[in-house]
Amino acid sequence: AQTVTQSQPEMSVQEAETVTLSCTYDTSESDYYLFWYKQPPSRQMILVIRQEAYKQQNATENRFSVNFQKAAKSFSLKISDSQLGDAAMYFCAYLDSNYQLIWGAGTKLIIKP
Amino acid sequence: GAVVSQHPSRVICKSGTSVKIECRSLDFQATTMFWYRQFPKKSLMLMATSNEGSKATYEQGVEKDKFLINHASLTLSTLTVTSAHPEDSSFYICSARDGRTPTNYGYTFGSGTRLTVV
Repeated sequence: AQTVTQSQPEMSVQEAETVTLSCTYDTSESDYYLFWYKQPPSRQMILVIRQEAYKQQNATENRFSVNFQKAAKSFSLKISDSQLGDAAMYFCAYLDSNYQLIWGAGTKLIIKP
Repeated sequence: GAVVSQHPSRVICKSGTSVKIECRSLDFQATTMFWYRQFPKKSLMLMATSNEGSKATYEQGVEKDKFLINHASLTLSTLTVTSAHPEDSSFYICSARDGRTPTNYGYTFGSGTRLTVV
């Protein structure tokens, strides 16, 4: 069975700085999809970025980018120019062959003004 | 973009009563709906998966007679917590798959329902 591990329960970063959230996963599949979701205090889950495993190029969405290392089964999220609105829980997720999302435990991101 | 409307956002009920939570896809057909439970400061725990017109598939350990899921139409899915007990108090979230887009685009989430059983 696939598993997703987020080893950082909490991270903090100074406003305007860059922060990287780590995520590792375990799977025997060769083709799959990975996601980062954000859950702000409102608790509305918001898709931040997604990555197809067959693509070697790292996905980028404005200030958000990933470092996808398929061999190492690593999928970290980099947030550049951190803003107060980035404060949230961030969840890494793996889409399995049953179209179900396998979730990591989450990382709470604190932005220091 | 796709929107899933979830109601109510908060509900308080007495022990022994039933509570219904609705998730409605506003501008797309939700071929598949996922229901999650989230404990404070924890990740999402999948409770069940439902496809329109079919019986829901429940995860191991989830009581299907207690958590009734109905997905009678492509735009509406409901979760009914029957004979609620204080331990059922939690945050419940639905997530829908838009049949128009590839699955790898991700799913759309409702805003969640905080259930408190007193």
